[in-house]
Amino acid sequence: GAVVSQHPSWVICKSGTSVKIECRSLDFQATTMFWYRQFPKQSLMLMATSNEGSKATYEQGVEKDKFLINHASLTLSTLTVTSAHPEDSSFYICSARGDYSNEQFFGPGTRLTVL
Amino acid sequence: SQQGEEDPQALSIQEGENATMNCSYKTSINNLQWYRQNSGRGLVHLILIRSNEREKHSGRLRVTLDTSKKSSSLLITASRAADTASYFCATGSQGGSEKLVFGKGMKLTVNP
Repeated sequence: GAVVSQHPSWVICKSGTSVKIECRSLDFQATTMFWYRQFPKQSLMLMATSNEGSKATYEQGVEKDKFLINHASLTLSTLTVTSAHPEDSSFYICSARGDYSNEQFFGPGTRLTVL
Repeated sequence: SQQGEEDPQALSIQEGENATMNCSYKTSINNLQWYRQNSGRGLVHLILIRSNEREKHSGRLRVTLDTSKKSSSLLITASRAADTASYFCATGSQGGSEKLVFGKGMKLTVNP
């Protein structure tokens, strides 16, 4: 089946620093990738949708200048949390979708802790 | 905004029993999907049911969809301790939107 990886799996950083999270589709070309955020014991909230080669579409309430998304290739999307603060601590999950299916394949998630 | 609402929020059963989880949603959908998430991990896709389908089976899983009531149920038969996880429903909307809207999730604990 389709495999999506994320790196790093966890990261701890100081407040004010920027953190980059990578999402890769390992065995298929992902024309669309999605970024979600999940707070403890809560559901997944879609942050943004990115299509390869174009700007990401952000959900209402998500700051595009704080959460920079780049989808430069068909197998890689990155999410950069700029000037991270403790309230940005969360579990970030990406998913990827290919051309021929509506199914989204999810990565294992990245746990971000901002001190 | 969240659309799916799982019911109950938490369920604890004994191994071998069946577990039923319900999901309600608010708007018209193209499909409804169920996912499992083990603690602190990513999501595993379980099953997708389209809006023109009423029931679907996959192994020990049975999903029903009632579009008139805007609800779905996931039945896990003969549960195992390994089924312990959080379960989410997610809806894909009509109109060609790619987005999935997730429900709050339900924590299932299967006691050995």
